[in-house]
Amino acid sequence: AQKVTQAQTEISVVEKEDVTLDCVYETRDTTYYLFWYKQPPSGELVFLIRRNSFDEQNEISGRYSWNFQKSTSSFNFTITASQVVDSAVYFCALSEYGSSNTGKLIFGQGTTLQVKP
Amino acid sequence: GAGVSQSPSNKVTEKGKDVELRCDPISGHTALYWYRQSLGQGLEFLIYFQGNSAPDKSGLPSDRFSAERTGGSVSTLTIQRTQQEDSAVYLCASIPGLITDTQYFGPGTRLTVL
Repeated sequence: AQKVTQAQTEISVVEKEDVTLDCVYETRDTTYYLFWYKQPPSGELVFLIRRNSFDEQNEISGRYSWNFQKSTSSFNFTITASQVVDSAVYFCALSEYGSSNTGKLIFGQGTTLQVKP
Repeated sequence: GAGVSQSPSNKVTEKGKDVELRCDPISGHTALYWYRQSLGQGLEFLIYFQGNSAPDKSGLPSDRFSAERTGGSVSTLTIQRTQQEDSAVYLCASIPGLITDTQYFGPGTRLTVL
């Protein structure tokens, strides 16, 4: 069965520290996508990144970077030089395309990141 | 352009009443999803629409929940005889058409059942 685990419930860092949010997934499909979404206090889910199962290249976007490792079924997210505006709940999600024809997202429980000034 | 919109933003109702939640997807998006975010269950899939049909209703928690989509655009999620455990934020997302497309979410409707 498919599952996404974000073991870190809450993380608190001081501004300018680097922080890594962990995500481990389970799937039997060979074709799937992984996502990260940010949910700031306003409540709206903001899309950050999407990776497909055939592309293990790491990606960097500004202060954000993602490390996808199929060998460990992980898709970790690192924020470099964190800022107060990064404070939010971050969700990792999985969507399967081998056995499913709907693209529905399976979410982890979320990690609440607090960045203190 | 405009994103996904949902109304109302907040809804307080009494146990046993029916409620309707509305989702306006991004213009031109043919597929639409409903999710629910609650403290106990996290973010859960409810239903998927492709056009006006719903090929996947597997996430609807009970037969009190139903949804429809008309004209391939607006969708309405109806909860009949609301219960306190229905209290949650109901989120809608839309995609242009391919299930591999990224889902873009609306701001959600916060439902409180007293």
